[in-house]
Amino acid sequence: GENVEQHPSTLSVQEGDSAVIKCTYSDSASNYFPWYKQELGKGPQLIIDIRSNVGEKKDQRIAVTLNKTAKHFSLHITETQPEDSAVYFCAASRGGGSNYKLTFGKGTLLTVNP
Amino acid sequence: GAGVSQSPSNKVTEKGKDVELRCDPISGHTALYWYRQSLGQGLEFLIYFQGNSAPDKSGLPSDRFSAERTGGSVSTLTIQRTQQEDSAVYLCASRAGSTGGNYEQYFGPGTRLTVT
Repeated sequence: GENVEQHPSTLSVQEGDSAVIKCTYSDSASNYFPWYKQELGKGPQLIIDIRSNVGEKKDQRIAVTLNKTAKHFSLHITETQPEDSAVYFCAASRGGGSNYKLTFGKGTLLTVNP
Repeated sequence: GAGVSQSPSNKVTEKGKDVELRCDPISGHTALYWYRQSLGQGLEFLIYFQGNSAPDKSGLPSDRFSAERTGGSVSTLTIQRTQQEDSAVYLCASRAGSTGGNYEQYFGPGTRLTVT
């Protein structure tokens, strides 16, 4: 089955700096890669996703890049703000071939210091 | 519009008792998932429902776990004879499903289960 590795497990940055979280996956058939943000006591919130037919996607201060050959994808947050502090999860899915089930990384605790 | 809702938000139960957790998906979403989030194992898939198709139960950890989805909407996850290792946050997600490659899953706030 799919295996998703996520690094780092914790990340501390100063407000205004950039943050980068990286994930690798094992199943070359995976074709959908979402990122979720989870705040304390809440469910995961989808913040951005990318499909395997594109290499990069951007939405305001967040962007995701995908390297299918190397089987890794990354989340980039620019101009970080204290409200970006949360746990971030990457995930991978094979789409219809696996009922769109998500396999998650272990999460990254991002702390943005004011 | 309304998102995925789950109840109860917290549940404390004694070892050996049965519990039922409820999920109301986003209106119109045909696909529904249960995941479990625990400290040691992260976020794990449990079970998947799509319309009237047979559910994908491949993630259920033991036969003490079962789930049903009535009328293609509300789902209930039942854990029988609870054990301490069942303590976790149980998350429900829904997806628009049908055709067109709708991949996005939207999660509810979860039910925190504590087995004492």
